[in-house]
Formats: sequence, C-alpha cells, structure tokens
Amino acid sequence: GAVVSQHPSRVICKSGTSVKIECRSLDFQATTMFWYRQFPKQSLMLMATSNEGSKATYEQGVEKDKFLINHASLTLSTLTVTSAHPEDSSFYICSARMGGGVVFGPGTRLTVL
Amino acid sequence: GEDVEQSLFLSVREGDSSVINCTYTDSSSTYLYWYKQEPGAGLQLLTYIFSNMDMKQDQRLTVLLNKKDKHLSLRIADTQTGDSAIYFCAESRQNAGNMLTFGGGTRLMVKP
Repeated sequence: GAVVSQHPSRVICKSGTSVKIECRSLDFQATTMFWYRQFPKQSLMLMATSNEGSKATYEQGVEKDKFLINHASLTLSTLTVTSAHPEDSSFYICSARMGGGVVFGPGTRLTVL
Repeated sequence: GEDVEQSLFLSVREGDSSVINCTYTDSSSTYLYWYKQEPGAGLQLLTYIFSNMDMKQDQRLTVLLNKKDKHLSLRIADTQTGDSAIYFCAESRQNAGNMLTFGGGTRLMVKP
C-alpha cells in the first residue's frame, strides 16, 4: 500500500538552531502534501499545504518565515523549523493524498532544549 | 465554517461493540475518514467513506454516514484491548484541495 515516511522520527536540538524534517511518499507521487502539528493530548492542527513546484499555503497564525516548507519534487516535502525555541517542541506529522484516502507519515517528535 | 466534533472518551469491555460518533457541519464534505492513533505513534488510516455512501463495512469495522444529519459513526465489533487508542474522524472537500479537518479525537479504553 501507499507509504509516507518521515525523517527523523525524533530530534532533540538546542534553542536557536534550525531543524529540517523530511516527508517522502515512497511509492506514489504527491503533488500536494500537508503539514500538521499536534500538541500533547490535542488534535492535529493544520500548519500549511505544500504544493510541488510552488509556494506553500500557510494557515492563519502560522509564521511562514519560521516554518519553511519546500516541496522540491513529487515525492519530497521538507519542513524546516528555524531558530527553534522550546515552545516549538511538538509532534509534526505530514500527509499526502493517495486515491480516495489520505496517508499520514509516522510523525516527527521535536524537542527543543 | 467547518467544524468536526467528537465525544472525548469511551470505555467498553473486551468483546463488546464500540460505537464512536462524530458530527460535522460542512455539507460539501467529499470524503469522511476514521484514523487511529496509538500512544506515541502517528495516525493510521482505518477506513474512509465517500459522501454518497451510507455504510461501509471492513472486517470488524462498520462506518455509518447520515448525510442529512451530518453524523458519522464507527462501530468496532468484538472490541479488543489492542483497539485502545484515540480515534479521529476527519472530513475533506474536493474544492479545498482535499485538506483534512479533524475532530478532537475520542479516547477508547477497552477493559479486560
């Protein structure tokens, strides 16, 4: 079946550094991918829609200069958290549409010290 | 605007059936989904239903859709302890680029 992978699965970084998270569709092409953030014990919050070959569309309240999204190919979207702070610590999940369903990646747990 | 709501918590005994309910407000929803999230893990797509269907069955899972009332349910037959997780319903619309809107999630606890 369709698989979406994320790398890394866990990352710990120091405050002020930047972290890049990759989202790959392994056996299908995805012109559109979505990035979500999940706070502990809460539902998913859509951050942005990543479109291959064009700029991402950000949801209201999400800083585009802080959360850089690049969708360079039909199988790869990246989310870079720039100048990370402890409040950016969260579970980041990407997804891609495949046929009638939406396939999610396994998520990346970011901890900013 | 779109809104998807679920009850927070459901507790059942092993072997019983579980019914998780979801309501949504957007009548233009195209697909409706059920996802399962186990502790510390990402989301797993369980099943989905197209908006012109009333019911879909997949092994122990039965999805019922009442489009008039904008009500979606997930029934898990013969619930097992391994079914303990958070279940999210979600809806998407073709005219919104298939972006998903999620409910808050229902925590299912299965007691032995």
